[in-house]
Amino acid sequence: KQEVTQIPAALSVPEGENLVLNCSFTDSAIYNLQWFRQDPGKGLTSLLLIQSSQREQTSGRLNASLDKSSGRSTLYIAASQPGDSATYLCAVRSTGNQFYFGTGTSLTVIP
Amino acid sequence: KAGVTQTPRYLIKTRGQQVTLSCSPISGHRSVSWYQQTPGQGLQFLFEYFSETQRNKGNFPGRFSGRQFSNSRSEMNVSTLELGDSALYLCASSVPGTGETDTQYFGPGTRLTVL
Repeated sequence: KQEVTQIPAALSVPEGENLVLNCSFTDSAIYNLQWFRQDPGKGLTSLLLIQSSQREQTSGRLNASLDKSSGRSTLYIAASQPGDSATYLCAVRSTGNQFYFGTGTSLTVIP
Repeated sequence: KAGVTQTPRYLIKTRGQQVTLSCSPISGHRSVSWYQQTPGQGLQFLFEYFSETQRNKGNFPGRFSGRQFSNSRSEMNVSTLELGDSALYLCASSVPGTGETDTQYFGPGTRLTVL
């Protein structure tokens, strides 16, 4: 069974810092990996989707990489802002078409 | 384009009752997936519907069921509610292709409390 792990569980950084969030998965048989953010009490907002054949995707200050063979993905956030404070979740879609989510990293950006 | 909508947003039920939640996907999206989110278990996949057929199912008991209508709207039903069913129920829609390009768009969720 696919297991998705996110480290660290919580992170606090001063505004302006660059940071990296990690996601690891145990089974490399995936279609894609998606990063989301979730604000308290709200649904999920899609940030980036990386197909299994891709190595990275970029959107604004966000860059996500995927190393399928090692079962790892990272989300890089440049020049962090207080508005980036949220819980960040990664999810993989297995080739069996099931979805598996990590437990999330709670990010706080201090002004 | 309107996003994914879920109704109701909040529900309070008692043990043993049943509940039906509704999800309207983004226009043109034909796949709807349901998830349960709890503090202890995180986000867990319930099932996915595509073209009125259940395409995938997570590891939940048969008390959890769903269906999809011809307009892609989906409902989820939980029978014989238990205290542990208290959770945020999220649905997501996507335009299914090969699986590689299926970005999921989430609704705001339905907060279910079982007393």
